[in-house]
Amino acid sequence: SQKIEQNSEALNIQEGKTATLTCNYTNYSPAYLQWYRQDPGRGPVFLLLIRENEKEKRKERLKVTFDTTLKQSLFHITASQPADSATYLCALGKYGNNRLAFGKGNQVVVIP
Amino acid sequence: EAQVTQNPRYLITVTGKKLTVTCSQNMNHEYMSWYRQDPGLGLRQIYYSMNVEVTDKGDVPEGYKVSRKEKRNFPLILESPSPNQTSLYFCASSLSGLNQPQHFGDGTRLSIL
Repeated sequence: SQKIEQNSEALNIQEGKTATLTCNYTNYSPAYLQWYRQDPGRGPVFLLLIRENEKEKRKERLKVTFDTTLKQSLFHITASQPADSATYLCALGKYGNNRLAFGKGNQVVVIP
Repeated sequence: EAQVTQNPRYLITVTGKKLTVTCSQNMNHEYMSWYRQDPGLGLRQIYYSMNVEVTDKGDVPEGYKVSRKEKRNFPLILESPSPNQTSLYFCASSLSGLNQPQHFGDGTRLSIL
């Protein structure tokens, strides 16, 4: 069965540095991949979507890459700020399959 | 303001007492879905709806019912709640499917005693 892996250990990073999160998957060939941010007690908030024919997507200080050979997506937050502290979820999907498969999330803590 | 609204936000109830969690969106979205989020398991889809009167099971539909009589509303019904349905529930919507940004509500924390 499909498996989506995000690091269960929190990423502690100094303010101003680049935070990099990994989303690995097996037994799955997603057509697109999404990243969400979730704060405690709140619902996930959409950040970026990248499709299988795209290598990289950017939005302000965020960058996502998608490597279908490595079966991996990397999520980068450049010039990280304490306000970036949250849990980040990756989600994978296929066209014609009405299910989004979510990873368990990876917490980021930005230290001032 | 564009939003997905869930009610109630918190509920403590007892086994077997039917309950409904409401979900409403004001963005004229066609696609709506329900998820539950449990520690160590992540978000799992319960039911989804492609449009009015069109619903289908997600990954964990047992013990739940839904209906989609109007485009904006997608209630989640627990006919006979059990303790294993204690969880954090999220409703989400998108313009027309999953290959688009999903807009989530702020969640409903259910405790079934």
